[in-house]
Amino acid sequence: GENVEQHPSTLSVQEGDSAVIKCTYSDSASNYFPWYKQELGKRPQLIIDIRSNVGEKKDQRIAVTLNKTAKHFSLHITETQPEDSAVYFCAANSYTGFQKLVFGTGTRLLVSP
Amino acid sequence: GAGVSQSPSNKVTEKGKDVELRCDPISGHTALYWYRQSLGQGLEFLIYFQGNSAPDKSGLPSDRFSAERTGGSVSTLTIQRTQQEDSAVYLCASARVAGQAYEQYFGPGTRLTVT
Repeated sequence: GENVEQHPSTLSVQEGDSAVIKCTYSDSASNYFPWYKQELGKRPQLIIDIRSNVGEKKDQRIAVTLNKTAKHFSLHITETQPEDSAVYFCAANSYTGFQKLVFGTGTRLLVSP
Repeated sequence: GAGVSQSPSNKVTEKGKDVELRCDPISGHTALYWYRQSLGQGLEFLIYFQGNSAPDKSGLPSDRFSAERTGGSVSTLTIQRTQQEDSAVYLCASARVAGQAYEQYFGPGTRLTVT
């Protein structure tokens, strides 16, 4: 089955800096890779996703890159702001008779003003 | 439109009691998931329902945990004889399965505290 590893577990940056979170996956059949942001006490919310037919996707200050050959994908946040502080989860889809998402263990991002 | 809802938002129970947690998915979503999130931890998959198919129960931690989904919509997660280690936030998510890739929408969660 699919296994997703996420690094780092915590990341502290100064406001305005960039932040990068990396994930690797094991199942070459995976073709959908979403990123969720979870603020303290709130539900996880999708912020961006990428499918295997593209290598990069951008949405304002966030971008995701995918390297299918190496089986890794990354989240990039530029010009970080304090409100970006949250836990970020990557995921990859997995089909074992059912479609489901396998989540990474999360990265706690702290942006200091 | 309405998102995924869960009830109750908070539940405090005594060790050994049974609890029921409810999830109302987004209308039209055929896939429904339950996850458990312990304090400061990741998302632990519990169970998955897809349409009328038999559920994937591979993530349930023990036979004290069970779930059902009635009429392909509302789902109930039941924990029998609760233990202190069951204390966590229980999240429900639903998805409209289209092709091979889809977004899961999460509910606000139920915070369960076993005393």
